[in-house]
Amino acid sequence: QKEVEQNSGPLSVPEGAIASLNCTYSDRVSQSFFWYRQYSGKSPELIMSIYSNGDKEDGRFTAQLNKASQYVSLLIRDSQPSDSATYLCAVSRSNFGNEKLTFGTGTRLTIIP
Amino acid sequence: GAVVSQHPSRVICKSGTSVKIECRSLDFQATTMFWYRQFPKQSLMLMATSNEGSKATYEQGVEKDKFLINHASLTLSTLTVTSAHPEDSSFYICSARPNTPEQYFGPGTRLTVT
Repeated sequence: QKEVEQNSGPLSVPEGAIASLNCTYSDRVSQSFFWYRQYSGKSPELIMSIYSNGDKEDGRFTAQLNKASQYVSLLIRDSQPSDSATYLCAVSRSNFGNEKLTFGTGTRLTIIP
Repeated sequence: GAVVSQHPSRVICKSGTSVKIECRSLDFQATTMFWYRQFPKQSLMLMATSNEGSKATYEQGVEKDKFLINHASLTLSTLTVTSAHPEDSSFYICSARPNTPEQYFGPGTRLTVT
């Protein structure tokens, strides 16, 4: 079992619709959860972080965390063509220090105009 | 968010030569920086964790004598690919963490070894 699992996609969503990206993780002691967006040929860009159960909203993005189910998701409302990218879920066992991130393989999202 | 820079953004070198890549945190101090490698259409692979003033911690399977890491200050870490070969051609990305859990990535360095 992979430590962080994501559906590789591609996930195609019509423009203006809600895109839903899912991620599960295996390490129960994980404390910090992140979503990164990576455009083709570019480095990852942090778009959301979440640390406690529930929802966290930032503009069109909502991250959802359920530690009991070891599940974290990202919702993108009013999807735009510029949201087309690969979305990486990342998990850390610690909030501080030199603890590394464990990444999923990413979900490729395509927004269809 | 915090800003991390890398230099150069792109480099082409001949097989057998060495290449140095710099990673700088521009607006914060980073006691820890991370070096990743990404091959086309593959996910990020952590190579090593760079600690200021001490030796880097390498991931399993990464040759520490080939990928030399020096974290000489709180804002600079360097990765030197020694005796580069075509199979080392890849996208090298560093990241750093200010005194928060979030990790911020540099723009990456595309290395091509001919």
